Amino acid sequence: GENVEQHPSTLSVQEGDSAVIKCTYSDSASNYFPWYKQELGKRPQLIIDIRSNVGEKKDQRIAVTLNKTAKHFSLHITETQPEDSAVYFCAASGAASNTGKLIFGQGTTLQVKP
Amino acid sequence: GAVVSQHPSWVICKSGTSVKIECRSLDFQATTMFWYRQFPKQSLMLMATSNEGSKATYEQGVEKDKFLINHASLTLSTLTVTSAHPEDSSFYICSAHKQGLREQYFGPGTRLTVT
Repeated sequence: GENVEQHPSTLSVQEGDSAVIKCTYSDSASNYFPWYKQELGKRPQLIIDIRSNVGEKKDQRIAVTLNKTAKHFSLHITETQPEDSAVYFCAASGAASNTGKLIFGQGTTLQVKP
Repeated sequence: GAVVSQHPSWVICKSGTSVKIECRSLDFQATTMFWYRQFPKQSLMLMATSNEGSKATYEQGVEKDKFLINHASLTLSTLTVTSAHPEDSSFYICSAHKQGLREQYFGPGTRLTVT
C-alpha cells in the first residue's frame, strides 16, 4: 500500500535560519500533497499543499517543492521564528480511490531557538 | 469556512466499557469522514474511512467490531470504542472531506483515557 517516509524526525535551527523537511512517497498515482503543522494536543492545521501538476508553491515564508519523477516533496520554511516550533507532517493522497484518503509521514519536530 | 467539531474533547472511562465520539461538520456537508488515532509523539494513523449511508472502510489491522463507525448523515459520524482497554488510550481525531475538494478539515480531537 501507499507509504510516506519523512525526514528528519527532529530538527533544531536558530531563529532566522531556514528549515527543510523532506518526504518521499511510494504510490506514483498520488497527486495531492498537503503539509500540516500540529501543536501539542491540537488538531493538525494545513499550512500549504501542492498538486501534482505543479512543481513549486510558495506562501510567504513557506514553500513546497515536488519532484514527481523522484517521488519526493519538501517543505521549506525561511526566516524561522520561535512560533514555528511544532510538529510538521507531510501527507500524500492516492488518486485511485478518489476519497481524499491521506497517508501521513512520521512527523518532524521542529525547534526554533531564539 | 469549514468547521469540524468533536465531542467530547476528552473522556476517561473504565476498562470494559464503551465510549462514543461524535464528529460533526458544522457548516458544510461531508461526503466522507475519516477517523485517525494518534499515540503520543507519533503520527496520525488512519483507522477508517466513513461514507454517509454506507459501511465504513477499515484500514488493515483495525478491528471493525471494536471500533464501530456510523455515518448517519452528511454532517455526523460517530466512532464507538467498544470494550475499551488501557491500550486504546489515545488521541482520536476525525476529519471531513467536501466532495470535489482535496483538503480535509480536522476536528479538534478527543483524548481517551481508559483506566
